[in-house]
Amino acid sequence: DTGVSQDPRHKITKRGQNVTFRCDPISEHNRLYWYRQTLGQGPEFLTYFQNEAQLEKSRLLSDRFSAERPKGSFSTLEIQRTEQGDSAMYLCASREALAGGGEQFFGPGTRLTVL
Amino acid sequence: GNSVTQMEGPVTLSEEAFLTINCTYTATGYPSLFWYVQYPGEGLQLLLKATKADDKGSNKGFEATYRKETTSFHLEKGSVQVSDSAVYFCALSRTGGGADGLTFGKGTHLIIQP
Repeated sequence: DTGVSQDPRHKITKRGQNVTFRCDPISEHNRLYWYRQTLGQGPEFLTYFQNEAQLEKSRLLSDRFSAERPKGSFSTLEIQRTEQGDSAMYLCASREALAGGGEQFFGPGTRLTVL
Repeated sequence: GNSVTQMEGPVTLSEEAFLTINCTYTATGYPSLFWYVQYPGEGLQLLLKATKADDKGSNKGFEATYRKETTSFHLEKGSVQVSDSAVYFCALSRTGGGADGLTFGKGTHLIIQP
């Protein structure tokens, strides 16, 4: 068990560019979550998957954001036409849906800076 | 909707002092409650959890009790160490109607001075 991994750890981009982040969950976990964390705030829920199905999307997830989990394993989060307000830490988490208590295991995050 | 309110930081204490970080919540249904910790340069780690009323979660000398009557989940430690310096987040699980994921408070930055 190597934990949740995210790639890249840091991304600097210019406004208007597209970016894509990858998350590899713990292998036996069928639920995968994306969160966004801005400076001085707690993480905010964006979306989650059970296997390959995207079951919920937050109103924070604008039309420029899209997430996929095509084979029910790793997931990608794409942001199109980035804006300076997209600068944040993007966190991925996973858990086993049948595990009691709802604990989630977090990755180290991808820090996005939009210039 | 669900929300979590925790005390503003930073909280600065001397080593061996008693720690309390307050957390109150608003939720529908019967959420599970969590404390996560973020050490400098590291990712979020679960510190402790409680899944039903009157449960006490504990880990590494930290404790918190799920109080449904006061909708609170305050974090306590009897004697803090410099190594406890970190940001602490209170969170609750979102349940019902297909919702999942966690709702977090804003975090409390704890600084322990030797």
